[in-house]
Amino acid sequence: GAGVSQSPRYKVAKRGQDVALRCDPISGHVSLFWYQQALGQGPEFLTYFQNEAQLDKSGLPSDRFFAERPEGSVSTLKIQRTQQEDSAVYLCASSLVYNEQFFGPGTRLTVL
Amino acid sequence: AQTVTQSQPEMSVQEAETVTLSCTYDTSENNYYLFWYKQPPSRQMILVIRQEAYKQQNATENRFSVNFQKAAKSFSLKISDSQLGDTAMYFCAFMRGGADGLTFGKGTHLIIQP
Repeated sequence: GAGVSQSPRYKVAKRGQDVALRCDPISGHVSLFWYQQALGQGPEFLTYFQNEAQLDKSGLPSDRFFAERPEGSVSTLKIQRTQQEDSAVYLCASSLVYNEQFFGPGTRLTVL
Repeated sequence: AQTVTQSQPEMSVQEAETVTLSCTYDTSENNYYLFWYKQPPSRQMILVIRQEAYKQQNATENRFSVNFQKAAKSFSLKISDSQLGDTAMYFCAFMRGGADGLTFGKGTHLIIQP
């Protein structure tokens, strides 16, 4: 079956714009994770869903970041009023409960 | 909170050599998992190998093996007979027992020279 997909692959936003990043997990995967990877760094955890429930959002850096997964499948990470420090690759991963996480290709966000 | 430390920002070896990447971690948890992920240039992250903390036997996957020292909180990755396609960033990662987010190290850039 298909792997985790993310769209768009690249996004350029002007400072202050809102952006929405989409993640399509592997079919049947209960858990979905979002990570932020700054240039030259390891990914940092943002938030985690089990089905439609957001169980952990401790990694979201500010209240400008919001994630949802309303039907327990596709997830959207929204960033309001983007700032230059939001520039990064945003990775989505999915897993069956208690199993390895499968990563998508990421969305590279550049805020000008 | 958990921390993962990779002290080697970059390593370079000749093709066919054996290379070991180091990783240490800090946690108060007793039930956890450790992973090595590979991120090739401009390509997505893939799992190389995983280790359950409750297992004493070191995990192996073909040319990849780990040296898991639980008391020392050390989790190194050994790559035998290295190949050009092994060139990538390698990340060590920690996960608490149960579904949870991963805590990653800063990564080691491994370069395999022909």
